[in-house]
Amino acid sequence: IAGITQAPTSQILAAGRRMTLRCTQDMRHNAMYWYRQDLGLGLRLIHYSNTAGTTGKGEVPDGYSVSRANTDDFPLTLASAVPSQTSVYFCASSLGKDQPQHFGDGTRLSIL
Amino acid sequence: EDKVVQSPLSLVVHEGDTVTLNCSYEVTNFRSLLWYKQEKKAPTFLFMLTSSGIEKKSGRLSSILDKKELFSILNITATQTGDSAVYLCAVSPRNYGGSQGNLIFGKGTKLSVKP
Repeated sequence: IAGITQAPTSQILAAGRRMTLRCTQDMRHNAMYWYRQDLGLGLRLIHYSNTAGTTGKGEVPDGYSVSRANTDDFPLTLASAVPSQTSVYFCASSLGKDQPQHFGDGTRLSIL
Repeated sequence: EDKVVQSPLSLVVHEGDTVTLNCSYEVTNFRSLLWYKQEKKAPTFLFMLTSSGIEKKSGRLSSILDKKELFSILNITATQTGDSAVYLCAVSPRNYGGSQGNLIFGKGTKLSVKP
């Protein structure tokens, strides 16, 4: 079934550890996005990629990095996790800039 | 500062009622407005609106955009318990974060439909 796959589904992590959240899509979408969703704050854009080989910063990029080596994969890395990064992380993709974004099921991350 | 404001934050209705959810926005160089439904996990796409006054409809759901007054409404008629969810409004400015296509989300309206 075509769509977006995120892994892991959930994770508990000690502060200071490095963590990579995985996102893969098989829809051949050009653009991909990472959001975090927090109670009272809604969905906020962390990083985006308009096409393979390019990335950009969103509203809350500090503490996160991304790469886009190919069309399908868009991993999000926390180099040294901190408790304020406890959140639900959603990956999304769209065919192009003027097309709706479609979301994965999210990764629930807890930093202790 | 670009922003999207949804109201009400939460709403409780009974099956069969009609509800109207509101979304107002202030963005630089508006491009489009989108509605999503979020149940337990992924937000799922409902509508994308780019032109004023043109209603988009899907079953019992409909939405319309007013670019002069900077708002959109999402209507749900004859509500069912399966409509219970958080409804998210998002706006795409022409240049957000250095790119077209990025979205600014409102905080959502939590709708609860009682049997």
